[in-house]
Amino acid sequence: QSALTQPASVSGSPGQSITISCTGTSSDVGGYNYVSWYQQHPGKAPKLMIYDVSNRPSGVSNRFSGSKSGNTASLTISGLQAEDEADYYCSSYTSSSTLDWVFGGGTKLTVL
Amino acid sequence: QVQLQESGPGLVKPSQTLSLTCTVSGGSISSGSYYWSWIRQPAGKGLEWIGRIYTSGSTNYNPSLKSRVTISVDTSKNQFSLKLSSVTAADTAVYYCARAGRTTVDYWGQGTLVTVSS
Repeated sequence: QSALTQPASVSGSPGQSITISCTGTSSDVGGYNYVSWYQQHPGKAPKLMIYDVSNRPSGVSNRFSGSKSGNTASLTISGLQAEDEADYYCSSYTSSSTLDWVFGGGTKLTVL
Repeated sequence: QVQLQESGPGLVKPSQTLSLTCTVSGGSISSGSYYWSWIRQPAGKGLEWIGRIYTSGSTNYNPSLKSRVTISVDTSKNQFSLKLSSVTAADTAVYYCARAGRTTVDYWGQGTLVTVSS
């Protein structure tokens, strides 16, 4: 069982906006501003899309944005495009593990 | 641009030891404050931390795997390695090596599939 809870799937039409949630506890998501989001296409390695809740690495489209409220972090993708169809994983720093980080279970995004 | 590349056998027999190496290019493995990490992903499932080694050489392991895992670093070759002993079919997965900073994993290898089967 993953420490962070994500919906199994979300979907949206091209041009629309979608939001993926990532729910944890005060020991992880709620306690630190160290939430990351990764995009993973089939057969590929995860790619960092958002770090420290809302920061985008260089080269990541500004259609991707992150936020946090309480124990829940969110990834929003605006202007949905076909190439956004992928699995998305959240990760957070946690005080509950010697490894410091935990992953969410992943969300499959389908672009209709 | 830092790049990581996993290498090692793609097939391991049950009860044997899985051994993988990650070669880092584009930067020195001993510079900066980074955790050199191993993460795995069974087919159709999510990501699981295996463990990490810090630039200083200190290690942390997933408690569920701790008794079977060893991560080491060879700075002369700019590589770090994973050994997982007494493997079973449940250890079949894509194994990724990755670089993690204080708050996020910023670089990943392409991943290598390891199948445990006789």
